Amino acid sequence: KAGVTQTPRYLIKTRGQQVTLSCSPISGHRSVSWYQQTPGQGLQFLFEYFSETQRNKGNFPGRFSGRQFSNSRSEMNVSTLELGDSALYLCASSLEGSGWSPLHFGNGTRLTVT
Amino acid sequence: KNEVEQSPQNLTAQEGEFITINCSYSVGISALHWLQQHPGGGIVSLFMLSSGKKKHGRLIATINIQEKHSSLHITASHPRDSAVYICAVREGETSGSRLTFGEGTQLTVNP
Repeated sequence: KAGVTQTPRYLIKTRGQQVTLSCSPISGHRSVSWYQQTPGQGLQFLFEYFSETQRNKGNFPGRFSGRQFSNSRSEMNVSTLELGDSALYLCASSLEGSGWSPLHFGNGTRLTVT
Repeated sequence: KNEVEQSPQNLTAQEGEFITINCSYSVGISALHWLQQHPGGGIVSLFMLSSGKKKHGRLIATINIQEKHSSLHITASHPRDSAVYICAVREGETSGSRLTFGEGTQLTVNP
């Protein structure tokens, strides 16, 4: 069974630009969640999708958004990039969500904003 | 005060030693996850607990819901266990609850 796939692995963007990251979950998993990891703040929850609906959102500004498609693939978008958005962005898939089933993480997308 | 606190922050052990990493949380939870992160960023889920104890190979995880505390034990530690171990809790019982992470414990096992 293929694991969680995140693309791209690395990304360099300029302040003010926007970026879209992609996450393909394990086949059969209906939940996809997104996380930001920085050296200063550690791992922080961004949002969780289940069957195309956003089930929960973390404390991030509206510049961070996401969506989930009917095949459970998910994208997250960050608009008007700031230097502080430089981070490792991880997605995880699970059968039913992090409260009910184990998480399977992708290898992440490392975003650098210059 | 963080909602999820781990101790110790850093731990150095000799190969073969028994290791314990602790996680305390201050909110009601529906589940607790133990994660392992190796250099390079990849995260592996070790356990998901809502009560009691789970064992997988040399790893054991326990949780005490009343005391809001969980421990991760590694028996017969090995240098390949060197990684950051992260505790994460899913608050509450509703589908709208979020996952909150501890700051992680950096474990180094020397040969």
